[in-house]
Amino acid sequence: DTGVSQDPRHKITKRGQNVTFRCDPISEHNRLYWYRQTLGQGPEFLTYFQNEAQLEKSRLLSDRFSAERPKGSFSTLEIQRTEQGDSAMYLCASSTPGTGGMTEAFFGQGTRLTVV
Amino acid sequence: ILNVEQSPQSLHVQEGDSTNFTCSFPSSNFYALHWYRWETAKSPEALFVMTLNGDEKKKGRISATLNTKEGYSYLYIKGSQPEDSATYLCAPLEAASKLTFGTGTRLQVTL
Repeated sequence: DTGVSQDPRHKITKRGQNVTFRCDPISEHNRLYWYRQTLGQGPEFLTYFQNEAQLEKSRLLSDRFSAERPKGSFSTLEIQRTEQGDSAMYLCASSTPGTGGMTEAFFGQGTRLTVV
Repeated sequence: ILNVEQSPQSLHVQEGDSTNFTCSFPSSNFYALHWYRWETAKSPEALFVMTLNGDEKKKGRISATLNTKEGYSYLYIKGSQPEDSATYLCAPLEAASKLTFGTGTRLQVTL
């Protein structure tokens, strides 16, 4: 296991279509995060999991977004009825909680979504 | 939503120059502060995880300091090199939950 992997790396979709992204974290990491990054901004928090439990979801996230981590390993992020404003880089990261959540997060290379 | 501010937004320096950036965050409920470097076409990579007021960490030519009472951290790069060109992100951790990133400082180092 060499790191966090995300699939696909790039996705172009038509407005209104559904898309699903996958993230495979580092195997011993039980925390998994999803972030979204748009041009000129830092990564914006979407949601995170501890094992299979979704602990927090951003209030900025509409009902069109859903994430799962069914067995506490890989995670999927689905966007339904995509809009042009959903175009962004979607980043996944994983970490171990360490002592009070202080260990570094390891990031995947992201999935770049373009909605046309 | 945690308010994290980084300055400057972007910076252009010559090779050999030393530089520094600032990260400001709410001092209440502080738990830890992370610094990441994000090079173009790569993943963000952790530089430092800092927890104690007055802490100073160093990795090669890069160092960081932390003031949790007033809510800021400085990142210093000594003798900048072109390979230091990247976006530098800070992310405070509140109540041991999620990392909240600032908008980053984009550094460009030219010869």
